Amino acid sequence: SAVISQKPSRDICQRGTSLTIQCQVDSQVTMMFWYRQQPGQSLTLIATANQGSEATYESGFVIDKFPISRPNLTFSTLTVSNMSPEDSSIYLCSVGLAGAHEQFFGPGTRLTVL
Amino acid sequence: AQSVAQPEDQVNVAEGNPLTVKCTYSVSGNPYLFWYVQYPNRGLQFLLKYITGDNLVKGSYGFEAEFNKSQTSFHLKKPSALVSDSALYFCAVRDSYNAGNMLTFGGGTRLMVKP
Repeated sequence: SAVISQKPSRDICQRGTSLTIQCQVDSQVTMMFWYRQQPGQSLTLIATANQGSEATYESGFVIDKFPISRPNLTFSTLTVSNMSPEDSSIYLCSVGLAGAHEQFFGPGTRLTVL
Repeated sequence: AQSVAQPEDQVNVAEGNPLTVKCTYSVSGNPYLFWYVQYPNRGLQFLLKYITGDNLVKGSYGFEAEFNKSQTSFHLKKPSALVSDSALYFCAVRDSYNAGNMLTFGGGTRLMVKP
């Protein structure tokens, strides 16, 4: 498995501002993923962030709204830009390890936009 | 395309009784199936997986799941429920044809175990 941390754990933000969420892994991983979990909902994949390539976004998510960085094999950031109350969600990062089919998740970042 | 369904929003069971949380899936190739649990204000914890081999897989905390190819199901089970098992459970699937390791999650089932 992997130990994954996220910062911040929670935040309350004003509409129109941006928040950058950090994801740190205790080992080098190729595949990292960012998910959104809206209140009472399941997880929706935002994008796949592999080191050395541009992030791949899922339908309904765009780079201007959710820019992602992946500077090395242990770290990634997700920015939620120009926030609105509809962006209030839990944002989770996960990693895929070589030889393992499952993904391992960070504790999540609970974002509230006022 | 890959999809997964959890038909029950909530399952209620008395402590000590067996529990079942249902999951059905749809894939083009062979399914890779997973169960995760989410406790309040926590991330997702991996419970168990089916990749190939024995249809009955055992996982963490005494949970097990049975893969049934003809019924395209992967129900989560536990012989004797604990109050501490109360949480949100997610089934996930990945199509073996999907090289990107992308998972698709079901809507989640809230398990309530009452003393």
